[in-house]
Amino acid sequence: AQKVTQAQTEISVVEKEDVTLDCVYETRDTTYYLFWYKQPPSGELVFLIRRNSFDEQNEISGRYSWNFQKSTSSFNFTITASQVVDSAVYFCALRLGHAGGTSYGKLTFGQGTILTVHP
Amino acid sequence: GAGVSQSPSNKVTEKGKDVELRCDPISGHTALYWYRQSLGQGLEFLIYFQGNSAPDKSGLPSDRFSAERTGGSVSTLTIQRTQQEDSAVYLCASLPMTSGDYEQYFGPGTRLTVT
Repeated sequence: AQKVTQAQTEISVVEKEDVTLDCVYETRDTTYYLFWYKQPPSGELVFLIRRNSFDEQNEISGRYSWNFQKSTSSFNFTITASQVVDSAVYFCALRLGHAGGTSYGKLTFGQGTILTVHP
Repeated sequence: GAGVSQSPSNKVTEKGKDVELRCDPISGHTALYWYRQSLGQGLEFLIYFQGNSAPDKSGLPSDRFSAERTGGSVSTLTIQRTQQEDSAVYLCASLPMTSGDYEQYFGPGTRLTVT
């Protein structure tokens, strides 16, 4: 069975601080995908990034960066120079990579991290 | 193009009543998923549709929950004899089956409150 753990339930920072959201996953499969989603107060899940298990390159997108390390089964998310608009719940998720299976595409989510950025 | 839509956006019902929640996936997306987000439980998978069939119903919490999909498009999640613990946000997501490298597109959710 798959599992995703986001140990940080809530994080509070002041604007312009850097913040890292941790994500640790468990799976026995060698092919899988990892995701981060943002859920602002409006409630809709917003896709941020997808990473497959064969690509350990870190990625940077503006103020966002992601560090994928298979050796520690971690996929951490860093926001640089945080802003009030970054306040949201952030979810890490795992999907297995087998096409056509009975659970194709099913996401296993972590419990989420509530990020509050104070002005 | 249009995203995943869900209706109603909010539903308040009395304990014991039946409710139906609707999901309109992105046109052409053959896979459809229902998830539930409740306080203290995070986001839980409920059911997966491939076309009109449901290969994975493992997340449905009880036999009061059922879902169907017609025409490979619209899906309805039905909760019979609602209980207060059914209060949650019900999210629908869809995706194409043509490629392995993709992300799920989520709807805005239906917030269900059982009084």
